[in-house]
Amino acid sequence: GAVVSQHPSRVICKSGTSVKIECRSLDFQATTMFWYRQFPKKSLMLMATSNEGSKATYEQGVEKDKFLINHASLTLSTLTVTSAHPEDSSFYICSATYGKGDTIYFGEGSWLTVV
Amino acid sequence: AQSVTQLGSHVSVSEGALVLLRCNYSSSVPPYLFWYVQYPNQGLQLLLKYTTGATLVKGINGFEAEFKKSETSFHLTKPSAHMSDAAEYFCAVSDGAGTALIFGKGTTLSVSS
Repeated sequence: GAVVSQHPSRVICKSGTSVKIECRSLDFQATTMFWYRQFPKKSLMLMATSNEGSKATYEQGVEKDKFLINHASLTLSTLTVTSAHPEDSSFYICSATYGKGDTIYFGEGSWLTVV
Repeated sequence: AQSVTQLGSHVSVSEGALVLLRCNYSSSVPPYLFWYVQYPNQGLQLLLKYTTGATLVKGINGFEAEFKKSETSFHLTKPSAHMSDAAEYFCAVSDGAGTALIFGKGTTLSVSS
């Protein structure tokens, strides 16, 4: 079946640096990708929606200059956390869908720890 | 805008007992509804979904859910709980195909022997 892969699965970075998380659709063309953030023992919060070749649409309260989302191809979207701080530490999950399909495929998630 | 309310942040059952996890939604359009399970330190696994058609949806691992439009509910049930069912369960709603899922706050299911 369709698979969405995230990389890295775990990353530790120093405060003030930037870190990039990749989300790839392995066997389908993802016209739309979604990025979520999950705090420990909390629900998933939608951060942004990205369509291939377009600027991402950010949810209210999400800093677009801090969380840069790029969807340059139909199989790859990236989330870059710029000037990371400890409060950015979280579990980030991407999901992808194609066309108007009713199935959304989730990646395995990426743990970000900022020290 | 859609929203999801999961009643009960924590549900405890005995092994073999009925599992009932409650989910109510709000949507201005006919919703797509989902249940996901998350095990510790892992990603999400789809249990079942409702888009159109039959309102009783059967999923994996013996779970099922019924879409009740009049009650704006999509409760998840399983006749007999297993220890392996202990996990976090999320109900989610979307506006339709190709749109983002909005998640409820989750319900932690504990199963005791």
